Amino acid sequence: DAVLTQSPPSLPVTLGQPASISCRSTQSLLYSDGNTYLNWFQQRPGQSPRRLIYQISNRDSGVPDRFSGSGSGTDFTLEISRVEAEDVAVYYCMQGTHWPRTFGQGTKVEIK
Amino acid sequence: EVQLVESGGGLVQPGGSLRLSCVASGFAFDKYWMNWVRQVPGKGLEWVAHIKLGGYEKHYVDSVEGRFSISRDDAKNSLFLQMNSLRAEDTGVYYCARDAAGELDQWGQGTLITVSS
Repeated sequence: DAVLTQSPPSLPVTLGQPASISCRSTQSLLYSDGNTYLNWFQQRPGQSPRRLIYQISNRDSGVPDRFSGSGSGTDFTLEISRVEAEDVAVYYCMQGTHWPRTFGQGTKVEIK
Repeated sequence: EVQLVESGGGLVQPGGSLRLSCVASGFAFDKYWMNWVRQVPGKGLEWVAHIKLGGYEKHYVDSVEGRFSISRDDAKNSLFLQMNSLRAEDTGVYYCARDAAGELDQWGQGTLITVSS
């Protein structure tokens, strides 16, 4: 299985400051079709998960442009350029390249 | 508006069975791959099962292989998860989720399964 390891597990951030979450895979997530199926999800307290980013860096509709994704192969990053109060949530990376699909363990973003 | 509404959760004894349903609306259900994802309360997400168009190809996480079965009824815009031989570790919120532009672009609100005697 492709194991995804996120760091840090918890991320206290000052409002208006940037935040960065790392996701590392034990296997390359580059698929034979040339795409890399690495997604990022946000789960606010008491809510269902919401996809923010697909295929490394594509933002879903309605996602603020302060969220961006980058990376390749086995190393990926989610960045929030300026954290807002509504960004308090747990963030998960997930790969869809290999079966079974797997999630990272999550990173909890909180306000300092 | 895309909507996914799960139902069928509840309390079940170890070794028992349960069938979850997910009714979809707001999109052409028969044209999308679908999934079940679960979450132990307070813990992380675990992908459980996937079904492609027409139900001809299915995938499962190893821990449920042989016990759970995913299916779909495109005429009723519905996704199902038949869960047999349930264990305490199957307890959690089960989400129905659609694949579009990659994976898991839309999620339902979830239904809670508790496996306990």
